[in-house]
Amino acid sequence: DVKVTQSSRYLVKRTGEKVFLECVQDMDHENMFWYRQDPGLGLRLIYFSYDVKMKEKGDIPEGYSVSREKKERFSLILESASTNQTSMYLCASIATSNTGELFFGEGSRLTVL
Amino acid sequence: AQSVTQPDIHITVSEGASLELRCNYSYGATPYLFWYVQSPGQGLQLLLKYFSGDTLVQGIKGFEAEFKRSQSSFNLRKPSVHWSDAAEYFCAVDLNAGGTSYGKLTFGQGTILTVHP
Repeated sequence: DVKVTQSSRYLVKRTGEKVFLECVQDMDHENMFWYRQDPGLGLRLIYFSYDVKMKEKGDIPEGYSVSREKKERFSLILESASTNQTSMYLCASIATSNTGELFFGEGSRLTVL
Repeated sequence: AQSVTQPDIHITVSEGASLELRCNYSYGATPYLFWYVQSPGQGLQLLLKYFSGDTLVQGIKGFEAEFKRSQSSFNLRKPSVHWSDAAEYFCAVDLNAGGTSYGKLTFGQGTILTVHP
């Protein structure tokens, strides 16, 4: 069974802290994504990666960075967390040869106080 | 601007009733179209997708969707809703259909479905 695992389901951090959200997929997918989900706004793309060490900005990259040192792992980094980054973060992956079926993790709910 | 719109934020239906969730897109060409479902506490799961051909597509869990080019719509339907269908539903498009998109999707705002017994 395909699996996208987000290491932290719930996090509570303070303003200004550095936050790491980790995502691992076991399907050998080339492409990985970080989305942010907010009520009434749907999912918005923060960053995606189409290969190791390759990344591209999505629609809302401000305040975020990413790291992809290994094919199976894609990390989202909040250098200095702010309260407006309180949200649900979803990681997803897809093989380049497969159009459409993104595989999602269960999400990481981040609260910044 | 290119966009995906789900006009209904929240829909409530009775168990056994029919369901239609609306989705409209704003884009010059026909994109690839998708419906995903998110059950409480879960990630998103693909229900169905449309690339080309027959405009009525069948998906999992008894759902279907119809693509109407003239209306730029891709509405999701189910003839008889079950209590387990209560979830949030997202319409999504791949705006680079036929090109290299890396699977990057643009999502609508979501529709929350509540099912009454």
